[in-house]
Amino acid sequence: AQSVTQLGSHVSVSEGALVLLRCNYSSSVPPYLFWYVQYPNQGLQLLLKYTTGATLVKGINGFEAEFKKSETSFHLTKPSAHMSDAAEYFCAVSGAGNQFYFGTGTSLTVIP
Amino acid sequence: DGGITQSPKYLFRKEGQNVTLSCEQNLNHDAMYWYRQDPGQGLRLIYYSQIVNDFQKGDIAEGYSVSREKKESFPLTVTSAQKNPTAFYLCATRNKGNTGELFFGEGSRLTVL
Repeated sequence: AQSVTQLGSHVSVSEGALVLLRCNYSSSVPPYLFWYVQYPNQGLQLLLKYTTGATLVKGINGFEAEFKKSETSFHLTKPSAHMSDAAEYFCAVSGAGNQFYFGTGTSLTVIP
Repeated sequence: DGGITQSPKYLFRKEGQNVTLSCEQNLNHDAMYWYRQDPGQGLRLIYYSQIVNDFQKGDIAEGYSVSREKKESFPLTVTSAQKNPTAFYLCATRNKGNTGELFFGEGSRLTVL
């Protein structure tokens, strides 16, 4: 069975500060992990994904995430927040079969 | 342009009416999915299809129906049996294999009055 837990449904950071959004997963098979971003009334857009290989994954818009198997985590970070980063962020896991499992999302607010 | 087209973007209906949401893709992806999104609940899987003429129920299939007669199309019908149909509906596709990501349409917001 697979599942994802996102810690913190709302996160606020100041513009220019570090962004850290937390994601922990549960998977009985080697996981494939994803982060998506959603702007209001739009679909989800892929930020980055981990399948195999390097555990530090770089994505679009300056975001990156590190797969830590020992901690079952896949936290999303960005060194310096920008106003345009304000959005909803979803972590997801996929493994056996063709299903995805999404976290409940984290709403990021950037304070000017 | 390659992509996923959902229509309509916004839809208002009276209680008791069936509604069909369209999802068309030209990515040549095999798998298609329908998700429902409610505030604070993330995405919940309604139905998915891995191949033409075949589909499986997701976690919240009650009150919904789908068809997959063509690879490009996966319409979702919200029936009058769905108790709380007001939500944001997202269609997604995925290529073969487990490693690929989901590609999403822009969503359809259904409001039942």
